[in-house]
Amino acid sequence: NAGVTQTPKFQVLKTGQSMTLQCAQDMNHNSMYWYRQDPGMGLRLIYYSASEGTTDKGEVPNGYNVSRLNKREFSLRLESAAPSQTSVYFCASNPRGQGNTEAFFGQGTRLTVV
Amino acid sequence: DAKTTQPNSMESNEEEPVHLPCNHSTISGTDYIHWYRQLPSQGPEYVIHGLTSNVNNRMASLAIAEDRKSSTLILHRATLRDAAVYYCILLEYGNKLVFGAGTILRVKS
Repeated sequence: NAGVTQTPKFQVLKTGQSMTLQCAQDMNHNSMYWYRQDPGMGLRLIYYSASEGTTDKGEVPNGYNVSRLNKREFSLRLESAAPSQTSVYFCASNPRGQGNTEAFFGQGTRLTVV
Repeated sequence: DAKTTQPNSMESNEEEPVHLPCNHSTISGTDYIHWYRQLPSQGPEYVIHGLTSNVNNRMASLAIAEDRKSSTLILHRATLRDAAVYYCILLEYGNKLVFGAGTILRVKS
C-alpha cells in the first residue's frame, strides 16, 4: 500500500552540484507530476508527464529536467543547483484523462541549496 | 486552465461547521471541481470532487451551485486536525492538476 514514494526525504546540496529526485508510484497511473513549494507559498507545477515517454513543462520548469523512465517512475534532475531552488518538492500521480479521479501525493523532499 | 478564487484565510471554532467558498466563474462544462488540503509539513491530500451534483464523503460535503460558477466545501464539525490549507481546483479531462493559493483554515479550540 505504498502509493507515491519519493527519495530522498531530505538533501543538502552545495551551489553548482547536481542531483536527481526520484519518484515512484505503484497504482498504475498514467499521469505524474513534480511540484515545488517554497515556504508559505502554494504548490507550483514544474513538469508534468501524461504518459510514459511524454513530458510537458509546467509553470516553473527552468533549471530542471525530467525523465519518465517507465510507467512507475518519474525523476526530477537539477543539473546545477542554485539557492533559489531551495524548496520542498512533491511528486504526484493520477489516472490520465480522468477528471473524476483523485491524485495521490508523496511526502515530499526537502532540498536545501547552500 | 480555468481559474478559481478563494479567500486567503478563514477561522472556525472547534466542533462547529465550516463553509469554505470557491468561485470559478469561467468553469467549462467538462471541468470537475476538486478539493485538496495540505496539513502542516505534509503533502496535499484529496478531500472530495464533483461535477454537477452535491457530493458527500466521510471527510466533507461539496455543494455546487446550480450554474456551477461557485462551490462550497463543508466540514461538518471542524477539529483541530482540520487546520490546513484548502485548495479548490478545476480539473478537465486530460488536463494538468494546477494549484492556486488556497484558503488557510485556522481552527480555534
